Amino acid sequence: DAGVTQSPTHLIKTRGQQVTLRCSPKSGHDTVSWYQQALGQGPQFIFQYYEEEERQRGNFPDRFSGHQFPNYSSELNVNALLLGDSALYLCASSSSTGANYGYTFGSGTRLTVV
Amino acid sequence: GQNIDQPTEMTATEGAIVQINCTYQTSGFNGLFWYQQHAGEAPTFLSYNVLDGLEEKGRFSSFLSRSKGYSYLLLKELQMKDSASYLCAVSTSGYNKLIFGAGTRLAVHP
Repeated sequence: DAGVTQSPTHLIKTRGQQVTLRCSPKSGHDTVSWYQQALGQGPQFIFQYYEEEERQRGNFPDRFSGHQFPNYSSELNVNALLLGDSALYLCASSSSTGANYGYTFGSGTRLTVV
Repeated sequence: GQNIDQPTEMTATEGAIVQINCTYQTSGFNGLFWYQQHAGEAPTFLSYNVLDGLEEKGRFSSFLSRSKGYSYLLLKELQMKDSASYLCAVSTSGYNKLIFGAGTRLAVHP
């Protein structure tokens, strides 16, 4: 049973560019949350998608946007990249009908902005 | 505001016991989680507490006091592979949005 799959694993982008990160949730999960983890810090909540809509959002600018597809997979888009966007981006999936602790993280995408 | 505090670093000896503390002040509380994260890897679930008291799971135990906004993770019979970051996180809503602390880096030495 595959867990959460994220792609790509590593990415280098130039300041001002745009990037798209992808996430396939664990089988049976219908909710996807995205987190940004800077080096040496805990993950910071970006937003959560359920039923193809953004259900909650953290304190991130509009440059961060997302999408969820009918098969529950999700994309995170970041426009006008800044050096400070360099981080590990984690996707976490869960089930809307499952236990509250049913949160599975992917291995993340390491984004470096130069 | 939302605030979760935990020590930045801890060291311990193989075979010993270590306690990692976490204090929190959040608007809303729907449970407290502990995750383990090895460098460059995904966080993995260790424990979940929603009621006061101690939850034991093998070598790992977690305690919660909601009135004090306090939790700890207890690791027994430490092994070298336990060297990792330990993340304390609070769920603040029914939608399972997690607020994380900065993590505690634990180094286990022989």
